[in-house]
Amino acid sequence: DVKVTQSSRYLVKRTGEKVFLECVQDMDHENMFWYRQDPGLGLRLIYFSYDVKMKEKGDIPEGYSVSREKKERFSLILESASTNQTSMYLCASSQLGTGEGGYGYTFGSGTRLTVV
Amino acid sequence: QKEVEQDPGPLSVPEGAIVSLNCTYSNSAFQYFMWYRQYSRKGPELLMYTYSSGNKEDGRFTAQVDKSSKYISLFIRDSQPSDSATYLCAMTKRTALIFGKGTTLSVSS
Repeated sequence: DVKVTQSSRYLVKRTGEKVFLECVQDMDHENMFWYRQDPGLGLRLIYFSYDVKMKEKGDIPEGYSVSREKKERFSLILESASTNQTSMYLCASSQLGTGEGGYGYTFGSGTRLTVV
Repeated sequence: QKEVEQDPGPLSVPEGAIVSLNCTYSNSAFQYFMWYRQYSRKGPELLMYTYSSGNKEDGRFTAQVDKSSKYISLFIRDSQPSDSATYLCAMTKRTALIFGKGTTLSVSS
């Protein structure tokens, strides 16, 4: 019954490394999102995509990039990992017109990334 | 002023209590309002959805929206230890949802 799959639950990377976080959804959703979640700061939107090869910056895109080559896959890239990017990263997907008809996000289980 | 404000708690109640969780928002253009529940080390899951003002009931859960006051609530009746989680309110802004920071609830048996 898994609908949004994030490739890793836990990841430890070194400062300066290039990091790839992968997300795959099997619901044929148009929209996909990457958030990070930190204590006291809640969920913050990094990037989202509403179509293949399309992307839009969220609230905190600095230090990140994304790739969406196929509808079901949305990758988050940390170009040069830094310790302040240690966080829980959550991927989500939704149908076009989020909210209409009661359609919200479906989230993955998250990737807890530690940068040392 | 942040777009969505939510008291982070923590909130601790005994089993069987009625719980009230609340969010305020500033953007009058929001139309769709949701509540997500997040268990520890899991992703959030959609719990309730409401459109415009009014109440919506689903079992022990009631979601309430007051657009005139820009205020939404989630009520949990007969709370259970399994309700212990973080509850996040969310509302739409174009295609992306805007989330509150979440309220952590603990229900003791």
